[in-house]
Amino acid sequence: AQTVTQSQPEMSVQEAETVTLSCTYDTSENNYYLFWYKQPPSRQMILVIRQEAYKQQNATENRFSVNFQKAAKSFSLKISDSQLGDTAMYFCAFMKTLGSQGNLIFGKGTKLSVKP
Amino acid sequence: DAGVTQSPTHLIKTRGQHVTLRCSPISGHKSVSWYQQVLGQGPQFIFQYYEKEERGRGNFPDRFSARQFPNYSSELNVNALLLGDSALYLCASSLGTGLYSYEQYFGPGTRLTVT
Repeated sequence: AQTVTQSQPEMSVQEAETVTLSCTYDTSENNYYLFWYKQPPSRQMILVIRQEAYKQQNATENRFSVNFQKAAKSFSLKISDSQLGDTAMYFCAFMKTLGSQGNLIFGKGTKLSVKP
Repeated sequence: DAGVTQSPTHLIKTRGQHVTLRCSPISGHKSVSWYQQVLGQGPQFIFQYYEKEERGRGNFPDRFSARQFPNYSSELNVNALLLGDSALYLCASSLGTGLYSYEQYFGPGTRLTVT
């Protein structure tokens, strides 16, 4: 069974600085997807960034980028130029590639606070 | 474009009662998944439906059931409610086929409190 571990329950960062959230996962699969989701205090889960395991290039979405280390089964999220609106719970998630069938396996989350 | 919608937003039920939660996916999305998020935890997978057929089921008791309608909306039913069923229930939709078909987009959730 796949597992996702987020070892940092809470983190804080000053506005405009950079922060990195950690995620490790365990799987015997070779093809899969990894995601970071953001859940602000208003609770709607928002997809931040995705990474296909077969791609060596790390995904980037504006201020958000990942460091994907497949051999180490590590998938960290870097947020550059942190903004107050980045304050949220961040969840790392794993999905096997099964065509139309697929469910997300989430970590327990990291609560990020951006301070002015 | 409208995102995933869920109803109701909140509800309070008594132990032993039954509850029905509803979800409308993003237009064009044919797959709907349900997740349970207990306070302080990450969401846990309950069901996935694609083209009205169950495609996956998480480790939840038979008190939990779901279905998907021809318009791709979905219902999650929970019978014989227990205190431990208190949680945020999230619905997510995805294309189900094609490029990036696996990406799931979440609704705002239904907060269920069982007393």
